[in-house]
Amino acid sequence: SQTIHQWPATLVQPVGSPLSLECTVEGTSNPNLYWYRQAAGRGLQLLFYSVGIGQISSEVPQNLSASRPQDRQFILSSKKLLLSDSGFYLCAWSGYGFTNTEAFFGQGTRLTVV
Amino acid sequence: EDQVTQSPEALRLQEGESSSLNCSYTVSGLRGLFWYRQDPGKGPEFLFTLYSAGEEKEKERLKATLTKKESFLHITAPKPEDSATYLCAVLGAGSYQLTFGKGTKLSVIP
Repeated sequence: SQTIHQWPATLVQPVGSPLSLECTVEGTSNPNLYWYRQAAGRGLQLLFYSVGIGQISSEVPQNLSASRPQDRQFILSSKKLLLSDSGFYLCAWSGYGFTNTEAFFGQGTRLTVV
Repeated sequence: EDQVTQSPEALRLQEGESSSLNCSYTVSGLRGLFWYRQDPGKGPEFLFTLYSAGEEKEKERLKATLTKKESFLHITAPKPEDSATYLCAVLGAGSYQLTFGKGTKLSVIP
């Protein structure tokens, strides 16, 4: 069966510090991968998605970037965090191609920028 | 632009008191409508996918239905462990992006 791992679960970082959140998927090949952010009282906002290694699409201009160095690894980064980057970050995957529609989420990372 | 509106924002039920959650949507070419359950501090857990009007799916005390404009999540005889936030999302034609509603926070009181 497929599983998704996301870490760390909680992170407190000072303003101006770098960020690296990692997500890996097991039990499937060529998944579509996603990074979402969830703010209190708001719906999930898609930040980045990837349909293959090195292929990243950005949905929202911001202080963040994403990379996919391996087929089942997705990384969310920032060079300098802002207070507004605080939130609950979720990684998700869906099956390869355009016909597989369900997305499955990791357990999330609570990021607090202080 | 795809849009999803969920109502009510919050719902308190007595244990055993059945009710329904609503998800209204506008989308260009619906490829799927999804229901998720999210517990506090956790990632959303996938429940159902509905693809076309008239479709219904069931899982334990939950039943999801779909029309051309909205979906309902019916909860029959809920238990306290059904307390969670329920999220609805749609996937439109030509898109990889799920559009989520803000969710309905369900509290089931013993």
